[in-house]
Amino acid sequence: KQEVTQIPAALSVPEGENLVLNCSFTDSAIYNLQWFRQDPGKGLTSLLLIQSSQREQTSGRLNASLDKSSGRSTLYIAASQPGDSATYLCAVRDDKIIFGKGTRLHILP
Amino acid sequence: DAGVIQSPRHEVTEMGQEVTLRCKPISGHDYLFWYRQTMMRGLELLIYFNNNVPIDDSGMPEDRFSAKMPNASFSTLKIQPSEPRDSAVYFCASAGGDYTNNEQFFGPGTRLTVL
Repeated sequence: KQEVTQIPAALSVPEGENLVLNCSFTDSAIYNLQWFRQDPGKGLTSLLLIQSSQREQTSGRLNASLDKSSGRSTLYIAASQPGDSATYLCAVRDDKIIFGKGTRLHILP
Repeated sequence: DAGVIQSPRHEVTEMGQEVTLRCKPISGHDYLFWYRQTMMRGLELLIYFNNNVPIDDSGMPEDRFSAKMPNASFSTLKIQPSEPRDSAVYFCASAGGDYTNNEQFFGPGTRLTVL
């Protein structure tokens, strides 16, 4: 049974720093992995989708990598800003869609 | 496009009442997903449709839950009878393309409180 873990559950960093969020999964036979952000009381906003055949995807200050063999994905945020404060979730798709519990990120002004 | 539309945004009801949540997917998307989010269990997939046909409903918790998609632009999630443990935020998402590589787009959610 696929399990998706995001550690840490919460993270605070000063504005301007680069940071990495982690997502791990137990079964490497996935179709894709998607990163989302969720602001308090809001729905999820898609950030990046990485296909199983891809190693990374980039959008602006965001870079997501995927290592299927080790069951890991990272989301790199460059030059963090207070507006990046949100909960970040990863979702793995095989025959099911399994979400991690998320990392709550707080950027300190 | 207005994105995925859900209604109502908030619903407060009493135990035993019927609750119906509604979703309008993004035009042209042929996948529709229903999720439930709670603090304890996180985000869980309840059911998804492809071309209006339910494909996987293994996440539907009990027979009290049912979902329909009568056409490509409308879906409902019904709980009858509702119980306090059904209190959660229910999200609808839609996607185009094929299952293995489509990007999901979420609606704003319906916050359900069952008293």
